[in-house]
Amino acid sequence: AQKITQTQPGMFVQEKEAVTLDCTYDTSDPSYGLFWYKQPSSGEMIFLIYQGSYDQQNATEGRYSLNFQKARKSANLVISASQLGDSAMYFCAMREGTNAGGTSYGKLTFGQGTILTVHP
Amino acid sequence: DARVTQTPRHKVTEMGQEVTMRCQPILGHNTVFWYRQTMMQGLELLAYFRNRAPLDDSGMPKDRFSAEMPDATLATLKIQPSEPRDSAVYFCASAGRRHPEAFFGQGTRLTVV
Repeated sequence: AQKITQTQPGMFVQEKEAVTLDCTYDTSDPSYGLFWYKQPSSGEMIFLIYQGSYDQQNATEGRYSLNFQKARKSANLVISASQLGDSAMYFCAMREGTNAGGTSYGKLTFGQGTILTVHP
Repeated sequence: DARVTQTPRHKVTEMGQEVTMRCQPILGHNTVFWYRQTMMQGLELLAYFRNRAPLDDSGMPKDRFSAEMPDATLATLKIQPSEPRDSAVYFCASAGRRHPEAFFGQGTRLTVV
């Protein structure tokens, strides 16, 4: 069974600083994908970034980067130059059965989330 | 602008009534997920479909919940009879054939009184 752990219930960061949100996962499947989603107070779920288990390089999307350490089974999200609008709940998720081509058969399972607050 | 559409956005119903939530996945997407979000349990996967076939509904209370995909453009989640503990936000998400990331609808906020 797959499992996602986010150990930080809440994090605080100063505007314009970088912040790292932790995520560890557990799976025996060699083919999987890792994801981060943002949920602002409005309630919508916004996809941020994806990392495949076969990807050699860490994924980046604008100010978001995913620090993928396969041997440690961690997939931390790094947000650079934090903005007030980054204040939200952030979820790490995993999908087993995801091959190198991006085709996936597995279910998408989420961690408990981390609430990020950006201070001016 | 491709998006997942969920209806209704809000639903208040009395205990014992049937509730039906609908989801229109993004055109061309072949995988649909149903989630329930509560403060206590977080995001729970209830069921998911691939090419309209149910792959896993182990997260769903079978005695009162049912999920179907009558066609590729419609997924439904029914609760019969509803109970106060079913009060939550229910999300539908869809994913494409060659892209594993799922895109979420706006959710249905269900309140059972």
